[in-house]
Amino acid sequence: GAGVSQSPSNKVTEKGKDVELRCDPISGHTALYWYRQSLGQGLEFLIYFQGNSAPDKSGLPSDRFSAERTGGSVSTLTIQRTQQEDSAVYLCASSRLLSATNTGELFFGEGSRLTVL
Amino acid sequence: LAKTTQPISMDSYEGQEVNITCSHNNIATNDYITWYQQFPSQGPRFIIQGYKTKVTNEVASLFIPADRKSSTLSLPRVSLSDTAVYYCLVGVGNRDDKIIFGKGTRLHILP
Repeated sequence: GAGVSQSPSNKVTEKGKDVELRCDPISGHTALYWYRQSLGQGLEFLIYFQGNSAPDKSGLPSDRFSAERTGGSVSTLTIQRTQQEDSAVYLCASSRLLSATNTGELFFGEGSRLTVL
Repeated sequence: LAKTTQPISMDSYEGQEVNITCSHNNIATNDYITWYQQFPSQGPRFIIQGYKTKVTNEVASLFIPADRKSSTLSLPRVSLSDTAVYYCLVGVGNRDDKIIFGKGTRLHILP
């Protein structure tokens, strides 16, 4: 597709269940970022990938959160044993390498809204 | 990534010019300054990026003084649809660096 695609757009789950959120970045974008945004709040950095590797996982809130990226493309964010405080919009963004002709602009998806009951 | 400071919120009226200033005292030599706009229920979108002096595009202008320790996003003749949160970022990632968004400036345009 032309833009960053995220699925599901909405997910309602019960406390304690596991959820998987998917991000399909723009083709050719080497970097991929996950953020979390609670209602009325700013963006909380979670993790980023350069290719398939994640140099910095320090933003993940707890060990219930994990993420992977395969083939330098699709990424999955998994939340195990969800808690009510995990309710938020999870945003994914991708970008190309910063260069003389590229701003390194982040392109965001529409987000996955997670509600934990 | 350099830490940024910007006002939490601003109000203005339709047709006015709005200037949002961001402080970034510890900006590094290779850092760029980038601004994003976020509407409710949407992901942020790129507005403008600059390194020094002035940059202008169809949406906004970005003014950067010689010391680069601050920058000002200028929105000409705002309309109600410019009501959004505006984020200032310094450093521009994708160089083995995570990109951290601050709290942004919540701009409210009044009729």
